[in-house]
Amino acid sequence: KQEVTQIPAALSVPEGENLVLNCSFTDSAIYNLQWFRQDPGKGLTSLLLIQSSQREQTSGRLNASLDKSSGRSTLYIAASQPGDSATYLCAVPYSGAGSYQLTFGKGTKLSVIP
Amino acid sequence: SAVISQKPSRDICQRGTSLTIQCQVDSQVTMMFWYRQQPGQSLTLIATANQGSEATYESGFVIDKFPISRPNLTFSTLTVSNMSPEDSSIYLCSVGDSYEQYFGPGTRLTVT
Repeated sequence: KQEVTQIPAALSVPEGENLVLNCSFTDSAIYNLQWFRQDPGKGLTSLLLIQSSQREQTSGRLNASLDKSSGRSTLYIAASQPGDSATYLCAVPYSGAGSYQLTFGKGTKLSVIP
Repeated sequence: SAVISQKPSRDICQRGTSLTIQCQVDSQVTMMFWYRQQPGQSLTLIATANQGSEATYESGFVIDKFPISRPNLTFSTLTVSNMSPEDSSIYLCSVGDSYEQYFGPGTRLTVT
């Protein structure tokens, strides 16, 4: 059974800092990994999707990396802003190719202090 | 990508009543998923809804408590039946597209 762990559970940084969020998974036989953002009481916004054949994906100030062999992914946020304050979730498919069901980590709650 | 809407966005319900949540997608999709997010927790899959067949429920979730309909390729409903305060959660529907998931805005349910 796939298990996803995110560290740290919460993070508070001053505006302008670069930061890294960590995600680890127990079953390395994944075909992608997805990072989401969730604002309080709201739904999920997809940030980045990394296919198993990729090592990195970038979108603006966000960069996600994937190391399947070690079961780890990181989300790097450059020059953080107060608007980045949210909970960040990583998720991997349940099992095997073609499965759309996701297993989620518990998330990292990020607070960016002006 | 897919654009997903949910109704209602939030509701406060009495114990013992039922609530039906609607999920509408702007394109035809094969599979739709319903997730629950209890306060302070991450998302847990309730069931997978395929058009034309019975929904497939995950361990710990049963059809009598969470009946699902999937009448066509763009719409699904989830009913939370005989509610108790423990059902207070955010309920989200999602769809998969080329192995990427898209989520609706969620329905925030509070049971008193």
